[in-house]
This record gives sequence, structure tokens and C-alpha cells, in this order.
Amino acid sequence: EVKLQQSGDELVRPGASVKMSCKASGYTFTDYAMHWVKQSPGQGLEWIGTIIPLIDTTSYNQKFKGKATLTADKSSNTAYMELSRLTSEDSAVYYCARGYNNYFDYWGQGVMVTVSS
Amino acid sequence: DVVLTQTPPTLSATIGQSVSISCRSSQSLLDSDGDTYLNWLLQRPGQSPQLLIYSVSNLESGVPNRFSGSGSETDFTLKISGVEAEDLGVYYCMQATHAPYTFGAGTKLELK
Repeated sequence: EVKLQQSGDELVRPGASVKMSCKASGYTFTDYAMHWVKQSPGQGLEWIGTIIPLIDTTSYNQKFKGKATLTADKSSNTAYMELSRLTSEDSAVYYCARGYNNYFDYWGQGVMVTVSS
Repeated sequence: DVVLTQTPPTLSATIGQSVSISCRSSQSLLDSDGDTYLNWLLQRPGQSPQLLIYSVSNLESGVPNRFSGSGSETDFTLKISGVEAEDLGVYYCMQATHAPYTFGAGTKLELK
């Protein structure tokens, strides 16, 4: 059974960074891309970017360049996303999703990030 | 960026009713490889989005066949033939032809 288990919800201070994880199981981690998606009440769903773990290649939505950094650890089948210089605009739920042939077939449960002092 | 416009924003239906959701794209979603990467997702209350249909009309494994997708280029439709209670939630279209991938604003399906 394919599963994407994301790390827990985060409460972070403005200006800080946060790193969240997405642990994959039930499939060969390096056979698929991993995408990240932001969901916020004001902006709906937004694609942040993707990483291809096999070759450690990343592709970002221009809007999130400099904000998000995607990495992957093949030894632990885990993808990571770090968000930097957080503001209230970054408060949202963040999902990882497995990418296959230009669609996202499995999604993690989401991480709620709240930016507040 | 490609803009996807979904209509209606809200849909009220009775159980057993057939409904349709429209998704219009600001540019053609026909890729140079010949495929059209327009997908449909459902987000039930309190859950993550889930894939229903990919590449316009292909039903994801495990999705009931009361769901169907159609369309081409810039105009796409999701149809539910006989709404069931488990179908309630927000439906999103999503395009993966042009980077950055983008989503529609969603259509909320409610019980009448």
C-alpha cells in the first residue's frame, strides 16, 4: 500500500524557517517524482515544485523560488521541504504528492504551518 | 501562468441527481507529446485531495464509474452520473501541461 506520511503541524515565528518531511512507503521511492502543494484559504491550491529523487533534480514554481527548498534522502525514502523567512502569507497546509505521468496519484495528509509571534 | 476557471463555484444536488462541472483553460492544454494533462481531484471535508480522473477522461483506479471526464484543448467537463453522499466535497481541475502546474478555484458540491 502506497503511503506518504508527513511530519506534524508547526507553529513558527515570523522570520524563522521550517522543514517538513514526507516519508514514502509501499513503492520504490526513486521511481517517482515528489511534488509539493500549498493550500491556503486565500490562494487555493498552488504547486510549489517537484523533486526527482533518482537524480536529485528539482523544478520550482517561480513564485516559490527562494522561499521553498526541496530535498530528498534516498536512504530513508523521505522527501523534505524547507520554507524560509516565514511570514503570515506562508500560513497554510502543505501537501506532498507522488507524481506519475503528469498527475498526482497519492497525497500525504498535509502539514499545517501557522506563522505567528 | 495558465488560469483554470471552474463553474459553478457551488453546486447543490440531491442524491441520485446527475451533475456537471466545467473547467475552462486560458490556453490549450494539448501537450506537444499529444496528451492533454487535465486532471480532476476531489477533496472531501477534512481530507487531502484525491485523484479522480487524469488526462481528461481516464478514471483513476478505484474511482467509481459514475465519474467521467471529457473535453479538449481549453474546455473540459467532469460529470457525476448519480450523486452519492460520499461525493460531497470540493472538486478541482488541475493542469500539468504547462509549468507551473495550476489548479482551478474549486467547485463545492453540497446536498440540496
